[in-house]
Amino acid sequence: DGGITQSPKYLFRKEGQNVTLSCEQNLNHDAMYWYRQDPGQGLRLIYYSQIVNDFQKGDIAEGYSVSREKKESFPLTVTSAQKNPTAFYLCASRLGQDFVAGELFFGEGSRLTVL
Amino acid sequence: KQEVTQIPAALSVPEGENLVLNCSFTDSAIYNLQWFRQDPGKGLTSLLLIQSSQREQTSGRLNASLDKSSGRSTLYIAASQPGDSATYLCAVGGSSNTGKLIFGQGTTLQVKP
Repeated sequence: DGGITQSPKYLFRKEGQNVTLSCEQNLNHDAMYWYRQDPGQGLRLIYYSQIVNDFQKGDIAEGYSVSREKKESFPLTVTSAQKNPTAFYLCASRLGQDFVAGELFFGEGSRLTVL
Repeated sequence: KQEVTQIPAALSVPEGENLVLNCSFTDSAIYNLQWFRQDPGKGLTSLLLIQSSQREQTSGRLNASLDKSSGRSTLYIAASQPGDSATYLCAVGGSSNTGKLIFGQGTTLQVKP
């Protein structure tokens, strides 16, 4: 089945460690996104990529890094510089269309807890 | 800066009732608006996408409308069922077609049997 797969579903990290969240899609979508969800704050955009080997910062990129070496993969690294990394992380993708804004599809999310 | 507001934050209705969820946004220069459903601890499921040139979209018991001039969208759910219980989020796409969405904080709906 086509879809977006995020792993791991749950992740625990000690302070000072970097962790990488995986996001893979087999929808042949061009664009991919990482959002962070916190209680009472809604979803906020971390990074996005509209094409392979290119990505842009979102609203809260500090302390995060990404790569887009393959069309189907967009991993997110939460670095030790991120002050408050405990959150629910959501990956999304959509077809890249020039003139029609495509529908955004989401994965099931990864919950990161800093111990 | 675009801001998206959803009121009320929570809503409880008896099964079978028709209901309306509200979404308002401050900047009318949007590319599209999308409604999502989120179950506890899960990702978001897309319900309806309305392009800026459209006035409404329908899918089954769901109907979403868009009024850009007033900065409002509504999600109408007909004949609500307990399985409709979830958090409903609206999100607006900005003036450029980057796919970036600005989200509201959601309305948590409970449908009682």
